[in-house]
Amino acid sequence: KQEVTQIPAALSVPEGENLVLNCSFTDSAIYNLQWFRQDPGKGLTSLLLIQSSQREQTSGRLNASLDKSSGRSTLYIAASQPGDSATYLCAVSGQNFVFGPGTRLSVLP
Amino acid sequence: EPEVTQTPSHQVTQMGQEVILRCVPISNHLYFYWYRQILGQKVEFLVSFYNNEISEKSEIFDDQFSVERPDGSNFTLKIRSTKLEDSAMYFCASSEFRLADNEQFFGPGTRLTVL
Repeated sequence: KQEVTQIPAALSVPEGENLVLNCSFTDSAIYNLQWFRQDPGKGLTSLLLIQSSQREQTSGRLNASLDKSSGRSTLYIAASQPGDSATYLCAVSGQNFVFGPGTRLSVLP
Repeated sequence: EPEVTQTPSHQVTQMGQEVILRCVPISNHLYFYWYRQILGQKVEFLVSFYNNEISEKSEIFDDQFSVERPDGSNFTLKIRSTKLEDSAMYFCASSEFRLADNEQFFGPGTRLTVL
């Protein structure tokens, strides 16, 4: 059974810092991995999708990497802004879609 | 930009009542999904739906739950007899192609409160 974990559970950084969020999964037989952003009480906004054959994807200040063999993905956020404050979720697609518990990010002005 | 919509945004019901949560997926998408998120917990997969039938379902999706695509645009989740533990955010999602190959787009969610 696929298990997805995310470290850290919460992170607080000053504005302008670069930061890395981590996602780990136990079963490397995945089709893709997707990173989402969730604002409090809101839905999920897709940020990046990495197919299992890819190593990374970039969108603006976001860069996500995938190492399928080791069961890890990272989300790198450059030059963080207060508007980046949210919970970041990773989810892996295999038989079903399994979510991690999320990292709650606070970017302080 | 096309988006997934859900109604209502918040539903309050008494334990034992039936509820129907509604979703309008993105129009050219073929695969539809329901997820739930109990407050403070992970988002959990409930069911996937394609070609008017269930493709996959989790152990959470028991006989109390059913899904339907009653017309060309709506996708519904019915809970027959709600329990207190059904209180959660319910998210609908859709994708153009099969989950394994494609990005999912999520709706804003329906907050279900069972009293």
